[in-house]
Amino acid sequence: TQLLEQSPQFLSIQEGENLTVYCNSSSVFSSLQWYRQEPGEGPVLLVTVVTGGEVKKLKRLTFQFGDARKDSSLHITAAQTGDTGLYLCNPDRGSTLGRLYFGRGTQLTVWP
Amino acid sequence: DAGITQSPRHKVTETGTPVTLRCHQTENHRYMYWYRQDPGHGLRLIHYSYGVKDTDKGEVSDGYSVSRSKTEDFLLTLESATSSQTSVYFCAITAEPNTGELFFGEGSRLTVL
Repeated sequence: TQLLEQSPQFLSIQEGENLTVYCNSSSVFSSLQWYRQEPGEGPVLLVTVVTGGEVKKLKRLTFQFGDARKDSSLHITAAQTGDTGLYLCNPDRGSTLGRLYFGRGTQLTVWP
Repeated sequence: DAGITQSPRHKVTETGTPVTLRCHQTENHRYMYWYRQDPGHGLRLIHYSYGVKDTDKGEVSDGYSVSRSKTEDFLLTLESATSSQTSVYFCAITAEPNTGELFFGEGSRLTVL
């Protein structure tokens, strides 16, 4: 279940900086989702990536699924304080029961 | 917002007492999950359900049991609470387990003294 590695575990940056967080594994995934969790709330879906090499953009957030579908990255351009939160990856290994496990997450803090 | 509610939202109890957390959904989704979240551990799966009376264990199921007698309700029970079960518990639902979106409740904070 801990075949997923998210890095870095913590990231603290100033507003306006760029950053990248990673989700890595030795397993091949059918698809992968990224969630963001704000303090006191449940996680909320940001994106689902399905195809190897796929790139999806959501405003200042760029998500990439590795060519071999074993890893993914999330890049944020010009971070804002509203980007603060816990970023979690959640892969699907293709079983009939789907996505059961999350990475431990990257806690991002963006300072004004 | 997805129709998913957890109760109670906050509970303080003593070691050895039974505790039941309830997850209620109005979406008629087949799949339901209970996670616990602790600092440094992310979300860890306790139990999940893929239909009425169909449940299975997750990675941290020891000390927990679940029941799902109706589509809309998924109950998590701690038969005899321990301090190590102090945590924030999240319920999640989805209509499709592979690429469908997981919708989460707002969490239930449990403190075991």
